[in-house]
Amino acid sequence: EAGVAQSPRYKIIEKRQSVAFWCNPISGHATLYWYQQILGQGPKLLIQFQNNGVVDDSQLPKDRFSAERLKGVDSTLKIQPAKLEDSAVYLCASSWSSGTGITDTQYFGPGTRLTVL
Amino acid sequence: AQSVTQLDSQVPVFEEAPVELRCNYSSSVSVYLFWYVQYPNQGLQLLLKYLSGSTLVKGINGFEAEFNKSQTSFHLRKPSVHISDTAEYFCAVNNKETSGSRLTFGEGTQLTVNP
Repeated sequence: EAGVAQSPRYKIIEKRQSVAFWCNPISGHATLYWYQQILGQGPKLLIQFQNNGVVDDSQLPKDRFSAERLKGVDSTLKIQPAKLEDSAVYLCASSWSSGTGITDTQYFGPGTRLTVL
Repeated sequence: AQSVTQLDSQVPVFEEAPVELRCNYSSSVSVYLFWYVQYPNQGLQLLLKYLSGSTLVKGINGFEAEFNKSQTSFHLRKPSVHISDTAEYFCAVNNKETSGSRLTFGEGTQLTVNP
């Protein structure tokens, strides 16, 4: 079974530029998550999708970050414009989300390492 | 609100020695608890999880963890570590009563196994 795919793996940009990350979840997984992992810290949830609807985006800096999940499969996360403090690894994860109320295992992709200069 | 504290940022041990990685959480409601491992330049992989039932949970790679509700702890243990266990370990908590599946992670513990 193929895992969660992310691209690019690395990205270097200058501040005030725009950047986009792509995620393809495990086939059949209804729920998709984007996390931000700053060096030396644990991952922090940015946004959670259930199919193509947003379940939780309370920690997404909406003035510069946006995300979409068209057709309930692939997802893109965009930052516009980027700031120095956005340097981090951006992790995508997916889960079955059976809807029973019991948390499903989240499967993580390898991440995209963003460096903002 | 919920939070997770991993009490040790770095744990160096020798190969074949036992190890315990400590995790404490705070939450006003019941929680699910998880341990994830992250190898260099890779995503996170689930080691084990506690949802309900027996407080001793066994996971992959010989790891186990014990849920202690009175002490709000979920420490991870392995009786004998290998060089290949060198990685970053994250404890995480999920609030049972939220509609989402938000995981709140600790800041991680770097386990380094030396020969």
